[in-house]
Amino acid sequence: DTAVSQTPKYLVTQMGNDKSIKCEQNLGHDTMYWYKQDSKKFLKIMFSYNNKELIINETVPNRFSPKSPDKAHLNLHINSLELGDSAVYFCASSQGTGGNNEQFFGPGTRLTVL
Amino acid sequence: GENVEQHPSTLSVQEGDSAVIKCTYSDSASNYFPWYKQELGKRPQLIIDIRSNVGEKKDQRIAVTLNKTAKHFSLHITETQPEDSAVYFCAASRNSWGKLQFGAGTQVVVTP
Repeated sequence: DTAVSQTPKYLVTQMGNDKSIKCEQNLGHDTMYWYKQDSKKFLKIMFSYNNKELIINETVPNRFSPKSPDKAHLNLHINSLELGDSAVYFCASSQGTGGNNEQFFGPGTRLTVL
Repeated sequence: GENVEQHPSTLSVQEGDSAVIKCTYSDSASNYFPWYKQELGKRPQLIIDIRSNVGEKKDQRIAVTLNKTAKHFSLHITETQPEDSAVYFCAASRNSWGKLQFGAGTQVVVTP
């Protein structure tokens, strides 16, 4: 009965590869997010979707492409991985449009680019 | 856009003492201020939040205060315990469509 789940938990890959991270929430929330947490623990929003529509798109390289097939799922595809992409990526969800509601985070995906 | 500054970056306290973390924000239209706790290797989790129509909120050993005029808000943890050791993040947003802007985090270490 996990609220927000992500797969995989760990991802180790070579520079230049393409990889995807999947996220699912069973809370019935309308809004989902991707955050990047770097080695200094800074949490930075990347994207937000509300009912499958993109509502927040931060300054992120276009190698990162989110996709929301339905409001319970939000995936992140990364092309041509670079060393600087190494980080923990968190998916989150919230009720309503999310800006002033509790956000529920997934367990994170630790991406290591070699 | 919104800018949230958080201090201190690290905080060591003796078990039983109090801990205070302070944040300032730049956007006077911000009206929602949550605090998240992230234990080592775990996900961030909301511990308390406050909205701009309230000056103070308390939940057991944790409390948050908000000064809208000065644009700062603080987290107070009383009677700290080893399980309070974690990274704490403050955040701010201006409306329901706005993004949540996080502070840089405070590493709290509670020593027995």
